[in-house]
Amino acid sequence: GNSVTQMEGPVTLSEEAFLTINCTYTATGYPSLFWYVQYPGEGLQLLLKATKADDKGSNKGFEATYRKETTSFHLEKGSVQVSDSAVYFCALSVENTGFQKLVFGTGTRLLVSP
Amino acid sequence: EPEVTQTPSHQVTQMGQEVILRCVPISNHLYFYWYRQILGQKVEFLVSFYNNEISEKSEIFDDQFSVERPDGSNFTLKIRSTKLEDSAMYFCASSESGVLTDTQYFGPGTRLTVL
Repeated sequence: GNSVTQMEGPVTLSEEAFLTINCTYTATGYPSLFWYVQYPGEGLQLLLKATKADDKGSNKGFEATYRKETTSFHLEKGSVQVSDSAVYFCALSVENTGFQKLVFGTGTRLLVSP
Repeated sequence: EPEVTQTPSHQVTQMGQEVILRCVPISNHLYFYWYRQILGQKVEFLVSFYNNEISEKSEIFDDQFSVERPDGSNFTLKIRSTKLEDSAMYFCASSESGVLTDTQYFGPGTRLTVL
């Protein structure tokens, strides 16, 4: 089947620290991969995506590389800010009936302190 | 920037009552979705909708659930007779196409509380 596994949170970091949030997946077929972010009180916002192996998605200093050999899509940022505090969701896109649907991980809460 | 909107932001209802959750997708999008997130759990797919028809639904989406696009802008999720376990955050999403690589844009969610 299709599933996404994310590291448990919360991840607590000081400002300017390096961030990694691990994400691995299992999928039938060749999925597209996404990171969504949910800031407090808001909906899910697309952070970045990658649609084929070795693609690197990037946005706002965040990066993730689609690794087919390790079925991973880890999220990284070199220097986090307090404003990055949010819940981060890894997701994959599958197409069973000719239409896309997203399969999400459990989400990882990031807390950044000044 | 265009965005998906949802109303209400919070709905409290008694068990057995009907609720309708409303969404306005991005105007040029043709594919619509509902997901839900029970507190502390994963975001789960409920249903996808295209061309006034359900294209796929999950096992969660039983006969108590229905979706409708009553006019050119709204997309609704109806729960006919709510249960306690329907308490969750419900997210609407839309996308321009339904292909694997497309991006789904999400609304801010409706928190449904069933008492």
